[in-house]
Amino acid sequence: QQQVKQSPQSLIVQKGGISIINCAYENTAFDYFPWYQQFPGKGPALLIAIRPDVSEKKEGRFTISFNKSAKQFSLHIMDSQPGDSATYFCAASSKTSYDKVIFGPGTSLSVIP
Amino acid sequence: DTGVSQDPRHKITKRGQNVTFRCDPISEHNRLYWYRQTLGQGPEFLTYFQNEAQLEKSRLLSDRFSAERPKGSFSTLEIQRTEQGDSAMYLCASSLGRRGNEQFFGPGTRLTVL
Repeated sequence: QQQVKQSPQSLIVQKGGISIINCAYENTAFDYFPWYQQFPGKGPALLIAIRPDVSEKKEGRFTISFNKSAKQFSLHIMDSQPGDSATYFCAASSKTSYDKVIFGPGTSLSVIP
Repeated sequence: DTGVSQDPRHKITKRGQNVTFRCDPISEHNRLYWYRQTLGQGPEFLTYFQNEAQLEKSRLLSDRFSAERPKGSFSTLEIQRTEQGDSAMYLCASSLGRRGNEQFFGPGTRLTVL
C-alpha cells in the first residue's frame, strides 16, 4: 500500500519554466511533509518541508503548497535551472511513528536549456 | 566532513555471502535510521535506533538482516546469506529528534549480489 503518491513520474521543463510535482497522502497522522532532492549516486537531501498548520511555504525558488482537507501537497520550482535536474521525492512522517520518513516514488526532473 | 558517512560505498558479493555495512551519524544526533532504495524507487524504511535502542523494525527486515548501534554511536547493518533481491542502495540517516525532524542522509552503500 503506497502511503504517499506522487506524480508525474518524470518531467521535462525548459530553463526558466515552472516545475510542478504533486503528491497525495492517506494517513492523517502524518505531521511533517518534507521534499528531498537526490542526484545520481548521492543520498537524498532535504530541500524544503512543511507542517500541516500552514498552507504554503516558500524558500527561494521553491514553494510548497499544502491542502490539508484534500490531503494533497505540491512542490513548485520557479525559474527552473539545468542544475535542478534531479529526482525529487515528496515524503511524510509522523511523530507517533518515530518520525520515520515515508517516501513517494519520485519524480525525475530534467531541465533543458 | 561533519555529515553522515557510510562505508563501504560499494560492495559486490556473491549470493550466500554475509556483508556488513557501517554508518557514522552526525555526532550529536541521537536518532539513526536505515533505509533501502532500489532503482527507480523511493527509499523504504528498514529500522530505527534512538541512542543504542532499536525501537522499530520494518517487516522488510527479514531474519537475515540485523542491525546494531553499540553505545549509541555508529551503527552496523549485517545481511546474512545474501540473495540477489538484496541488491539495492542502503542509506543511513540521522537526526536530532527535536521538532524540525530533519533527517540527514549519508551517501549510501550500493550492494550488488551476483
